[in-house]
Amino acid sequence: GAVVSQHPSWVICKSGTSVKIECRSLDFQATTMFWYRQFPKQSLMLMATSNEGSKATYEQGVEKDKFLINHASLTLSTLTVTSAHPEDSSFYICSARPAGGMAVAQYFGPGTRLTVL
Amino acid sequence: QKEVEQNSGPLSVPEGAIASLNCTYSDRGSQSFFWYRQYSGKSPELIMSIYSNGDKEDGRFTAQLNKASQYVSLLIRDSQPSDSATYLCAVRPLRGNNRLAFGKGNQVVVIP
Repeated sequence: GAVVSQHPSWVICKSGTSVKIECRSLDFQATTMFWYRQFPKQSLMLMATSNEGSKATYEQGVEKDKFLINHASLTLSTLTVTSAHPEDSSFYICSARPAGGMAVAQYFGPGTRLTVL
Repeated sequence: QKEVEQNSGPLSVPEGAIASLNCTYSDRGSQSFFWYRQYSGKSPELIMSIYSNGDKEDGRFTAQLNKASQYVSLLIRDSQPSDSATYLCAVRPLRGNNRLAFGKGNQVVVIP
């Protein structure tokens, strides 16, 4: 149980284009989803938290107009990197949290490796 | 003060030995504690959760929690080369929009 999928697993795009990454919880309803970014050999960096039907809450320093998050249903969240540039190249990982109390864990998707040329 | 601290550098252990990882947290009201394993180039996967003081065992893994000392640890018994990974300690603060606060991780290298 608690499987989270991400699509695509990797993407290469030209500078200036937009890229959409999908995150789905396959066997549970995710009231909260999180988006992380991780550069090589560095720790996870939380970008934003989204609750179904609400606007995402972005961490300090993360541009909300550049990283558009849509949590349209209890099983789907999308991250769109708009006008991507080489410095946006990174490993993007979503995480989903089932409904429940403080004891509930977060489950991670397999990640999307973005390379911007 | 960081929410979750994992201060040890890379840990090298011989195959079959015990690997011991430590983590401290700052929010005394935290109730939920987790250990994730992350292989190089992959995303984190949940391996242990613990909520009460004491030990919790799952196979070769044992999580230990001491809320008074704000301390969580993970023991890996009979370490195998496949245990070579980065281990992330995660804590759910009492206030924090349901998110987990992660430590930077400890790299474990099991030497055959």
